[in-house]
Amino acid sequence: NAGVMQNPRHLVRRRGQEARLRCSPMKGHSHVYWYRQLPEEGLKFMVYLQKENIIDESGMPKERFSAEFPKEGPSILRIQQVVRGDSAAYFCASSPPANSREQYFGPGTRLTVT
Amino acid sequence: GESVGLHLPTLSVQEGDNSIINCAYSNSASDYFIWYKQESGKGPQFIIDIRSNMDKRQGQRVTVLLNKTVKHLSLQIAATQPGDSAVYFCAENIGNQFYFGTGTSLTVIP
Repeated sequence: NAGVMQNPRHLVRRRGQEARLRCSPMKGHSHVYWYRQLPEEGLKFMVYLQKENIIDESGMPKERFSAEFPKEGPSILRIQQVVRGDSAAYFCASSPPANSREQYFGPGTRLTVT
Repeated sequence: GESVGLHLPTLSVQEGDNSIINCAYSNSASDYFIWYKQESGKGPQFIIDIRSNMDKRQGQRVTVLLNKTVKHLSLQIAATQPGDSAVYFCAENIGNQFYFGTGTSLTVIP
């Protein structure tokens, strides 16, 4: 049973480009959370999704950031027109339908904006 | 916003000793807490959780203590091993969201 998978593991983008981060939850998990982690800081909640639904996006910046979790395929975190301040590690976690608090984290995507 | 803080950013212990990592939280509405371990370059790994109606929970070599009166959470690791070296985060759950502390870096000295 594979764990949570994220790709790419490392992503370099120039300012103004788009970044697309993918997260494949564990088998049987229908809940996905996205978090951002800056160096020397804890994880900051961004968004909580279920299949085809955004449940809570209160942690998402109002502009340039979007997330989806389609019926088929991975969850996508999309950052448009990236800026240097977007450089961070982005983690996703998945949880089973029966217990959304039981979160399993992926290895993260480290985004570097040059 | 919510705040979850740690008393000590770094902790060094001798192999075989017990480790205690502390965490303070601010929201009395938090009803669920988790400790995570994060090794360099990896995602957080679940260690142990505790609900607010409990004050102690034990796992394998780990114990979590919850003091709701002073809004304090601690993680105790028995017989600390070199493989325990990592950053440890506490997280509190309120509604759909988890709020993480900044982490304590534990170094185990062989």
